[in-house]
Amino acid sequence: AQSVTQLDSQVPVFEEAPVELRCNYSSSVSVYLFWYVQYPNQGLQLLLKYLSGSTLVESINGFEAEFNKSQTSFHLRKPSVHISDTAEYFCAVSEGVNRGGSNYKLTFGKGTLLTVNP
Amino acid sequence: NAGVTQTPKFQVLKTGQSMTLQCAQDMNHEYMSWYRQDPGMGLRLIHYSVGAGITDQGEVPNGYNVSRSTTEDFPLRLLSAAPSQTSVYFCASKRTGRTEAFFGQGTRLTVV
Repeated sequence: AQSVTQLDSQVPVFEEAPVELRCNYSSSVSVYLFWYVQYPNQGLQLLLKYLSGSTLVESINGFEAEFNKSQTSFHLRKPSVHISDTAEYFCAVSEGVNRGGSNYKLTFGKGTLLTVNP
Repeated sequence: NAGVTQTPKFQVLKTGQSMTLQCAQDMNHEYMSWYRQDPGMGLRLIHYSVGAGITDQGEVPNGYNVSRSTTEDFPLRLLSAAPSQTSVYFCASKRTGRTEAFFGQGTRLTVV
């Protein structure tokens, strides 16, 4: 079974500071990795994903995440945050092989609340 | 594009009442799922379906029932509501394992 650990439940930062949200996963097979963002009172939106190829993936709003297979991590970073980045961020994993439909299911971490202060 | 549509957005139930949360998607996705979101718990999978007529249990299925008669719809039934089922419920759909899930806006359910 796969699992996801988000090491920080809350991360407060000041505007224009860098931020890293940590995510570690465990799985016995290859995986696909995702970061979702949830703004207050909204559903989840995909921020970025790693499927294969380059281990560094980027989003359109300046976030990036790096897949590290040896450390089983997929940390999310942004060099300079804005007030509008305040949201809850979820790391998720799905299996890269299909075992009875297992590659459909997403397993989520417990979330990290990023609060950007002026 | 409508994407994933959930109704209702808010609901208050009394203990013991039953109700159905609706979920519909117009993207022809094979996979649909229901999650509940509770503070500090992340999203936990309740039930999922990999196609019409096929459903299976997730991590927290007790007290919930699902069916999938069409590709588009995946309703979640609460058989006898309990205060422990107070939560925000999200429906999601996706295609194959290589793709991301698309989420509805959520249903905030309070059981009193």
